[in-house]
Amino acid sequence: GEDVEQSLFLSVREGDSSVINCTYTDSSSTYLYWYKQEPGAGLQLLTYIFSNMDMKQDQRLTVLLNKKDKHLSLRIADTQTGDSAIYFCAEGGTDKLIFGTGTRLQVFP
Amino acid sequence: DTEVTQTPKHLVMGMTNKKSLKCEQHMGHRAMYWYKQKAKKPPELMFVYSYEKLSINESVPSRFSPECPNSSLLNLHLHALQPEDSALYLCASSPSQNEQFFGPGTRLTVL
Repeated sequence: GEDVEQSLFLSVREGDSSVINCTYTDSSSTYLYWYKQEPGAGLQLLTYIFSNMDMKQDQRLTVLLNKKDKHLSLRIADTQTGDSAIYFCAEGGTDKLIFGTGTRLQVFP
Repeated sequence: DTEVTQTPKHLVMGMTNKKSLKCEQHMGHRAMYWYKQKAKKPPELMFVYSYEKLSINESVPSRFSPECPNSSLLNLHLHALQPEDSALYLCASSPSQNEQFFGPGTRLTVL
């Protein structure tokens, strides 16, 4: 199929690490992105990785890319209650972004 | 000004009404986009403007009509919508072919 797949839901305790996974479809995608969406709001670009990289770290966020398996992950260190939101991965390269199905992250105290 | 703004925030309209959604960015981005997002679903691309010209139309019904009057402004004109068109309409802009920056969206309800 052509869907970019993500698990629907993830629940973590405050202070723990969260890992959100994504399986994408197009091996020719130039960039892969992670967006965050809070309730009733637009999408916030968190980070992105170029397809010839396998890892990118940006403060509490670590992105891992496995091109062979078309697998992308986002690790959030020291997860906070403010991280509770829906996280979308997206693949793209020339104006078109294809979004994943979204993972709802719930952080509990 | 480093953000994408959208107006109105909420819109309720009847099926015979004509209304417009507005999107603005003053970051000098060359591309602007309209997306539609239904509840608990990812955004779906509707239109792309590149250098003020329509470059992608994802087979959107003609009751949705985009317009790009200048490089900072993007409109979406709505006419004779259906209740199933109720959704969050997101605008985005991009400086290149890569990352896209989204506005807060317009929540549209069609009665």
